[in-house]
Amino acid sequence: AQKVTQAQTEISVVEKEDVTLDCVYETRDTTYYLFWYKQPPSGELVFLIRRNSFDEQNEISGRYSWNFQKSTSSFNFTITASQVVDSAVYFCALSEVAYNQGGKLIFGQGTELSVKP
Amino acid sequence: KAGVTQTPRYLIKTRGQQVTLSCSPISGHRSVSWYQQTPGQGLQFLFEYFSETQRNKGNFPGRFSGRQFSNSRSEMNVSTLELGDSALYLCASSLQVGGTDTQYFGPGTRLTVL
Repeated sequence: AQKVTQAQTEISVVEKEDVTLDCVYETRDTTYYLFWYKQPPSGELVFLIRRNSFDEQNEISGRYSWNFQKSTSSFNFTITASQVVDSAVYFCALSEVAYNQGGKLIFGQGTELSVKP
Repeated sequence: KAGVTQTPRYLIKTRGQQVTLSCSPISGHRSVSWYQQTPGQGLQFLFEYFSETQRNKGNFPGRFSGRQFSNSRSEMNVSTLELGDSALYLCASSLQVGGTDTQYFGPGTRLTVL
């Protein structure tokens, strides 16, 4: 069965620290997509990244980087030199392509990141 | 380009009533998905529409229904409201159905059932 697990419920760091948010997924499909979204206190989910199951290259975007490892079914997210504005709830999500499941995102429970000045 | 819009943003209803929420997707997007977010259950998929057809449905009772219009705008309806229906309802749009497209979310409608 498909499932996304974010074991870290809450993380608190001090500004400028690096922080890694973990995401482990389960899927029966060979073709799937993984996502990270950010949810600030306003409530709107903000898209951060999409990765397909055939692309295991790590990606860096400014202070954000993502490590995708199919061997361990993990898609971890690292924020370098964290800032107070990074405080939010971060969600990892899975989308399977087969059986018309592409429009359905399966979310983890989210990790609440608090960055203190 | 304008983002996904949802109306109303806040809603208070009483048990037994029904409610209709509206979602306007990003211009050109043809797929609309709905999600319910609660502190206990997290983010759960309700259903997805593409070209006015429901393509996928989550595990919710029949009280939850939706539809999509020819301009891709979507509505969801909840009948006979229960206290447990209090939640943030999020709508997302993407170019087309399928895992190849990213879903972009609206600000949500916060429903409170008293």
